[in-house]
Amino acid sequence: AQSVAQPEDQVNVAEGNPLTVKCTYSVSGNPYLFWYVQYPNRGLQFLLKYITGDNLVKGSYGFEAEFNKSQTSFHLKKPSALVSDSALYFCAVRDGGTGFQKLVFGTGTRLLVSP
Amino acid sequence: SQTIHQWPATLVQPVGSPLSLECTVEGTSNPNLYWYRQAAGRGLQLLFYSVGIGQISSEVPQNLSASRPQDRQFILSSKKLLLSDSGFYLCAWRGRGFEAFFGQGTRLTVV
Repeated sequence: AQSVAQPEDQVNVAEGNPLTVKCTYSVSGNPYLFWYVQYPNRGLQFLLKYITGDNLVKGSYGFEAEFNKSQTSFHLKKPSALVSDSALYFCAVRDGGTGFQKLVFGTGTRLLVSP
Repeated sequence: SQTIHQWPATLVQPVGSPLSLECTVEGTSNPNLYWYRQAAGRGLQLLFYSVGIGQISSEVPQNLSASRPQDRQFILSSKKLLLSDSGFYLCAWRGRGFEAFFGQGTRLTVV
């Protein structure tokens, strides 16, 4: 089965500094990878995806992610963090092993950006 | 454009009472629909998915059931709620690019 791992429960960064939220994947075949953000008591918002093509994927709100096949990673990045970026971030992978397409999510990483 | 509506936003129900959460999607036809549960503000667990009217698959055995009476309507139900059913329930639909789009969620507290 396809899976993703988010090794950090929480990431702390100062406003204005670059941020990285880590994700590694385990898949058979070509991975379809996604990042979502969740604000308190809200649904998940889609940020970006990697299906094929350039390894650097740009998404919403200035976020980008780098697909690295040799390291089986798909880290989320932003050059300059904002306090408003503080939220819960989820990495996900498509699992179509049963013939039905579903997303399998990581356990989430809480990002805290301090002023 | 497509939108997804989920209600109610919050719900407090006594143990043993019934449950009905509704989700509707606008702006698309024949979507794949999902119900997820998020416990303790963290990981998401897929509960049910549906590829069409009347077609429901369950991912995990539980006290809940789902139904899809119309193409863009997905309902999560229970006949008798348990304390362990408390959580944050999220409905989602899948786009052509494989990403899922989520509703705003329902915070269910069983007391």
